[in-house]
Amino acid sequence: KAGVTQTPRYLIKTRGQQVTLSCSPISGHRSVSWYQQTPGQGLQFLFEYFSETQRNKGNFPGRFSGRQFSNSRSEMNVSTLELGDSALYLCASSYTTGSRSGNEQFFGPGTRLTVL
Amino acid sequence: AQKITQTQPGMFVQEKEAVTLDCTYDTSDPSYGLFWYKQPSSGEMIFLIYQGSYDQQNATEGRYSLNFQKARKSANLVISASQLGDSAMYFCAMISGANNLFFGTGTRLTVIP
Repeated sequence: KAGVTQTPRYLIKTRGQQVTLSCSPISGHRSVSWYQQTPGQGLQFLFEYFSETQRNKGNFPGRFSGRQFSNSRSEMNVSTLELGDSALYLCASSYTTGSRSGNEQFFGPGTRLTVL
Repeated sequence: AQKITQTQPGMFVQEKEAVTLDCTYDTSDPSYGLFWYKQPSSGEMIFLIYQGSYDQQNATEGRYSLNFQKARKSANLVISASQLGDSAMYFCAMISGANNLFFGTGTRLTVIP
């Protein structure tokens, strides 16, 4: 079974631009979560999508948004990029939503975003 | 509020020896799950092991075992027979209620030949 895939793997943007990152979950998984990893803040939860609906949201500004399609693929968008948005963005998929045994989250390789 | 604490920024272990990575957690939710992930320099988070709060036995996955002490709120990862490929960052994480993980700050493990 193929793992979680993320595209692109690397991205360089300039301040003020916007960016869209894509995540394809493991086949059969319906929940997709996004995380931001920076050296200063560590790993932080952005949001979770399940059945095309945002189920949970972390403490990030409205410039960060996402969506999920009917095939469970998800995209996240960051508008008006700032230098501090430079980070590794990780996507994770799980079979369903909610914490329970057997619903482990599996991560993709990440997209490394650099904002100049 | 949920909190995960990893107090060891870095650890060294001799190849073929066992090593324990510490993790303590705090939550008021009686139902929660604890995870350990490995992150090599490539960046990908690799799932290692899971322990549910109601699980009676400590979780084991190959060379990985989780020393779960519920009363002390600790979930330490034990890696037996360390290999050079085990050198990486290790993150402890918790999930409770909603499906989002709270991560610790990580421990960088270096395996010495």
